[in-house]
Amino acid sequence: KAGVTQTPRYLIKTRGQQVTLSCSPISGHRSVSWYQQTPGQGLQFLFEYFSETQRNKGNFPGRFSGRQFSNSRSEMNVSTLELGDSALYLCASSSTGASANEKLFFGSGTQLSVL
Amino acid sequence: GESVGLHLPTLSVQEGDNSIINCAYSNSASDYFIWYKQESGKGPQFIIDIRSNMDKRQGQRVTVLLNKTVKHLSLQIAATQPGDSAVYFCAENRNSGAGSYQLTFGKGTKLSVIP
Repeated sequence: KAGVTQTPRYLIKTRGQQVTLSCSPISGHRSVSWYQQTPGQGLQFLFEYFSETQRNKGNFPGRFSGRQFSNSRSEMNVSTLELGDSALYLCASSSTGASANEKLFFGSGTQLSVL
Repeated sequence: GESVGLHLPTLSVQEGDNSIINCAYSNSASDYFIWYKQESGKGPQFIIDIRSNMDKRQGQRVTVLLNKTVKHLSLQIAATQPGDSAVYFCAENRNSGAGSYQLTFGKGTKLSVIP
């Protein structure tokens, strides 16, 4: 079965713009999480969605938002981009996200560069 | 604050030797830990996991050791191969209290295998 698919692979934006990233989870997976990866801060949790509802949110400003559709596909949006938003944005999916030992599968990420 | 951290940012190992990557965690309530491998241009890939009620778990060429007394986790890779070159992250899967689990990652250790 296909893995987690993220599009686009690369994005270049300028400060002040907004951006939307897309994630298609593994078929049958209903939990989708988003992470930001930077050299300085490492991997940081953004938010998690399940059944079209945001279940958990990390410590990021309100400029970062997301949503999940009925087919479990998810998008995240960053408004009013700042230089510090340049990062690799990773999406991960799991079956339900409700068990400690449930494996998380990551996509290859979207590399966002803000100029 | 609570965190998952790594002792060494880089590790160079001769091909065929064993590698040991260390990780310290501070949340004594954590009960599930995972090691991920991230190759260049890819998302993190699950390697092995361990519950807090275990001291050791073995996989194919990999072993994870958990010392709860000193809150220390290690990943041992036997007979390291060039394909093992990557960044390795330890992660702690915590109950978010919102019906889901959330991964908290360490900063990562870059493993370079010398042929």
